[in-house]
Amino acid sequence: KAGVTQTPRYLIKTRGQQVTLSCSPISGHRSVSWYQQTPGQGLQFLFEYFSETQRNKGNFPGRFSGRQFSNSRSEMNVSTLELGDSALYLCASSPQGPRTQYFGPGTRLLVL
Amino acid sequence: AQTVTQSQPEMSVQEAETVTLSCTYDTSENNYYLFWYKQPPSRQMILVIRQEAYKQQNATENRFSVNFQKAAKSFSLKISDSQLGDTAMYFCAFAHYGQNFVFGPGTRLSVLP
Repeated sequence: KAGVTQTPRYLIKTRGQQVTLSCSPISGHRSVSWYQQTPGQGLQFLFEYFSETQRNKGNFPGRFSGRQFSNSRSEMNVSTLELGDSALYLCASSPQGPRTQYFGPGTRLLVL
Repeated sequence: AQTVTQSQPEMSVQEAETVTLSCTYDTSENNYYLFWYKQPPSRQMILVIRQEAYKQQNATENRFSVNFQKAAKSFSLKISDSQLGDTAMYFCAFAHYGQNFVFGPGTRLSVLP
C-alpha cells in the first residue's frame, strides 16, 4: 500500500496570507490527524478527523481549520499567517481511531 | 491531563552497543496504547514499536524491545546492536482510544562509529 502523502512538501508564505495543506491517507484509513512540529514546542496536536467529522481538537486558535472529504483525504487551512506558524506540519492516518498512526513526510511551512 | 515525559534530551551510544531510552507517562485511564516513533534527519516519523496496556508481555520488534511497567507508568525502549541508521529523534507517545495522541518532547540519539 502507498504511504501517507502530503502536498506540498515545502511552502513559503508571507504574514497575513493563508495556506492550505493537503494529506492523502493510506488506502482504507478513515482517521486523519494533523500535528504542528516546532523546535520550541515539539509535536502539538491540531485536530483529528474521522469519517468527515472532526473528532478531537487541540489548543490552537481558530485560524487553524481543517476538513475531511468522503475519500478520507484531508486539508488543513491556516488563515492570516503569523511568523510563529513556521513549522513542519505532519499528517498521520490510522485505520480506526488513534490506535496506530502512520505519518506522512510533512509539509515545511516558512512564513516571512 | 495526560502527559508524557522523556527525561533524556540527548543520548549517544557506540555502534553495536545497547542503549535504553526512558519514558514515563501520566494517565488515569486503564486501557491505552503506548508507542515509540523515530524521526531521522529526513523528518519522516516512523513507527518503531507499539504496546497495548492490557498486554503484560513486553513488545519486541527485531533489535527494539520495550520494558513496560504499568504500575510505575514507565515505558522504556531498548535498542540492541545499535546501528548508524538508528541515529534519530525518538518520541514516546500515549493514546487512549478515542482520544488524540500525546507525544513526549523527544530524545535525540546519536550512534557513534
